[in-house]
Amino acid sequence: RKEVEQDPGPFNVPEGATVAFNCTYSNSASQSFFWYRQDCRKEPKLLMSVYSSGNEDGRFTAQLNRASQYISLLIRDSKLSDSATYLCVVSVRDNDMRFGAGTRLTVKP
Amino acid sequence: GAGVSQSPSNKVTEKGKDVELRCDPISGHTALYWYRQSLGQGLEFLIYFQGNSAPDKSGLPSDRFSAERTGGSVSTLTIQRTQQEDSAVYLCASSFRRADYNEQFFGPGTRLTVL
Repeated sequence: RKEVEQDPGPFNVPEGATVAFNCTYSNSASQSFFWYRQDCRKEPKLLMSVYSSGNEDGRFTAQLNRASQYISLLIRDSKLSDSATYLCVVSVRDNDMRFGAGTRLTVKP
Repeated sequence: GAGVSQSPSNKVTEKGKDVELRCDPISGHTALYWYRQSLGQGLEFLIYFQGNSAPDKSGLPSDRFSAERTGGSVSTLTIQRTQQEDSAVYLCASSFRRADYNEQFFGPGTRLTVL
């Protein structure tokens, strides 16, 4: 079993749609959680950290369920510029991060 | 300020040759990571350096892979006797170790093609 598993995608949605990505992790000792964004043929960049109480950054909402070992990312009012691959990242210990394979999103006009 | 840089950006080599990939982390970042990303796949952790501690080599796929970090800054990933399955993008990342925050900043990667 992979340490971090994500929806395989791809997700193809129209502009303005709401889309949600899911991620599960296997190590119950995981401490920190993140979503990274990777544009085509570019390096990954941090989108947002995921906090236990859930957190929101503009159109993006991240949630964590430790009991189910589950993380989610919700994108509201999708923009064309949101098209990218979204990587779920889990840290077991300080500065040791494991990446999911990513979920590809395409937002169409 | 300057981000993480990697060189070369592209490398084409013949099977069986050795290659060296270089990473210059962000100045002051104590942690440095190497990852490998094959086409359409996620990031595969290779090795992690933190300050003067012994590196975490648990992700290196075989003994043909090695890495070093000189002076706590620049790192070199060496692949000996390259194989076609080594073809991938090799990404380096660095971070400033803090208990409450450890965002990794990635370099643009080196695209390795083994013929």
